[in-house]
Amino acid sequence: DTGVSQDPRHKITKRGQNVTFRCDPISEHNRLYWYRQTLGQGPEFLTYFQNEAQLEKSRLLSDRFSAERPKGSFSTLEIQRTEQGDSAMYLCASSLLAGVMKTQYFGPGTRLLVL
Amino acid sequence: GQQVMQIPQYQHVQEGEDFTTYCNSSTTLSNIQWYKQRPGGHPVFLIQLVKSGEVKKQKRLTFQFGEAKKNSSLHITATQTTDVGTYFCAGLEVGGSYIPTFGRGTSLIVHP
Repeated sequence: DTGVSQDPRHKITKRGQNVTFRCDPISEHNRLYWYRQTLGQGPEFLTYFQNEAQLEKSRLLSDRFSAERPKGSFSTLEIQRTEQGDSAMYLCASSLLAGVMKTQYFGPGTRLLVL
Repeated sequence: GQQVMQIPQYQHVQEGEDFTTYCNSSTTLSNIQWYKQRPGGHPVFLIQLVKSGEVKKQKRLTFQFGEAKKNSSLHITATQTTDVGTYFCAGLEVGGSYIPTFGRGTSLIVHP
């Protein structure tokens, strides 16, 4: 399968715990995006990388959220000290670098439930 | 900041009826994309519109980009049960960074 993959697909955690999600983009894609999606809403942009550089992170929801893409391939999104309001679907998408926004290929998402 | 509004939020149709969803941006867009998300699934790219007044067709789906590049629409002719899902538009602001803003989506329910 050469699509975007995410792991885990589901995560249940207790409030206050840290969680980390992984995204493996399509191999030749140099752009990687993280989104959050809650019920009845469209994907909400969190951050994105171009290769290993994080070009925008001001939209991360709080300082409890952080993301990395150390070698320009896979990426991780970490949420520290989770809160119930963090419960959502976390989506990763990848695309090729281009002057005009190109097609984003989304992964299946990680569904987080904070108890 | 940029806002992208989509209407309606929900649409129930009988199979065979037409369906239209509308997308409006608070700012001028450089381009707009449309995605479909099936229940329990993830967004899947449908099409991208770039030019003012552009119209593109994919079988029973017709996509339009407004002359002012601030609005767009998706029209489905003769809906089928396979069209069920939520349709999202995502706009990229002129002169902005490469951060797409998604609308809330329109959920299409097709009754057989």
